[in-house]
Amino acid sequence: GAGVSQTPSNKVTEKGKYVELRCDPISGHTALYWYRQSLGQGPEFLIYFQGTGAADDSGLPNDRFFAVRPEGSVSTLKIQRTERGDSAVYLCASSLGVWETQYFGPGTRLLVL
Amino acid sequence: DAKTTQPPSMDCAEGRAANLPCNHSTISGNEYVYWYRQIHSQGPQYIIHGLKNNETNEMASLIITEDRKSSTLILPHATLRDTAVYYCIPGSGTYKYIFGTGTRLKVLA
Repeated sequence: GAGVSQTPSNKVTEKGKYVELRCDPISGHTALYWYRQSLGQGPEFLIYFQGTGAADDSGLPNDRFFAVRPEGSVSTLKIQRTERGDSAVYLCASSLGVWETQYFGPGTRLLVL
Repeated sequence: DAKTTQPPSMDCAEGRAANLPCNHSTISGNEYVYWYRQIHSQGPQYIIHGLKNNETNEMASLIITEDRKSSTLILPHATLRDTAVYYCIPGSGTYKYIFGTGTRLKVLA
């Protein structure tokens, strides 16, 4: 079946701009996660959704980052006033339930100039 | 959360078994060990997970020591397409996977 999809695959923006990154989880998966991966590092947790609510956003680096999942399926990660340090690969994962195996999408490569 | 130690890199000849070790000496009794891999420019791919018993699936085998302080992922017949970074992730059922820096496996022709 279809896996997790993320759009766009690449995003180039200028410092100070606003960006939105989209994640389509596997159908029927109630849990959704966002991670960020810097060059040469493993992915780091940002936020977790169970259904429509953000159950844990402790990994978001600051208040410029925000994520929503209004209907319990698609999620959008929003970054305001982007900075060069936000450049990274943003990964989305979903799982059947919170204690289940996470399946990752291909990621969105964000470059802030 | 359990801490993990993996060798930073390993080479393996094509067609031979690749044995990737992971030390997770601080793992607690109810924590599974998950293995993922990440091929260049792709998202992490789930391989296998286990709690106490050895596990095998179509991709790999997972050997967990009796004291559960370490595990080994075995790719029985490595191919060039297995070249990737392999992550060992102890999970307590937590949703916060902690990846570390993994082992960069290079399969040589």
